[in-house]
Amino acid sequence: QSVLTQPPSASGTPGQRVTISCSGSSSNIGSNTVNWYQQLPGTAPKLLIYSNNQRPSGVPDRFSGSKSGTSASLAISGLQSEDEADYYCAAWDDSLNGRAVFGGGTKLTVL
Amino acid sequence: EVQLVQSGAEVKKPGESLRISCKGSGYSFTSYWISWVRQMPGKGLEWMGRIDPSDSYTNYSPSFQGHVTISADKSISTAYLQWSSLKASDTAMYYCARHSAFDIWGQGTMVTVSS
Repeated sequence: QSVLTQPPSASGTPGQRVTISCSGSSSNIGSNTVNWYQQLPGTAPKLLIYSNNQRPSGVPDRFSGSKSGTSASLAISGLQSEDEADYYCAAWDDSLNGRAVFGGGTKLTVL
Repeated sequence: EVQLVQSGAEVKKPGESLRISCKGSGYSFTSYWISWVRQMPGKGLEWMGRIDPSDSYTNYSPSFQGHVTISADKSISTAYLQWSSLKASDTAMYYCARHSAFDIWGQGTMVTVSS
């Protein structure tokens, strides 16, 4: 059971906009920033969004993040076939001397 | 280029010990904490613990405390993840990642524990 809650799956057709939600609590998302990672099949995770809504250089602006209270979301606009991957949210949790917590991951399928 | 390079895949028997490594390059290794993350086959990401390479201070997830040891040798810019007695349930891919946003990841080390 992951500390952060994500839907296990999401899907969309090319060109569509999809969103992935991430729900937490006051000790993690409610008091710390949220990061998002993309994991393509057979590869290491890659940082997609940091500090709730910042994109590292090289990440297309089709990807955006937001946070409100104890929830966050990742939006992907202009969906492309290469976006098919697993997506994970993460945040720092202030309980138990501090720890990083992840969502269970969302598998995005491009139909 | 900033990168973390991990040691190669391992196949071990239950009860054996193991240490895998993660070498940083292209940045000041002591300026960023390193975390270890487990991914069991077909499953999600789990944070195991972290180390400050400047002084080797560590903290662990309760789920992994006592079962693994995280260490670092700053003279060679390398962090380690170590088991003293492996179990079959330790079979997984292990990643190291640089703090604070896990902006850089190693390529992963696959550990297989089987009799």
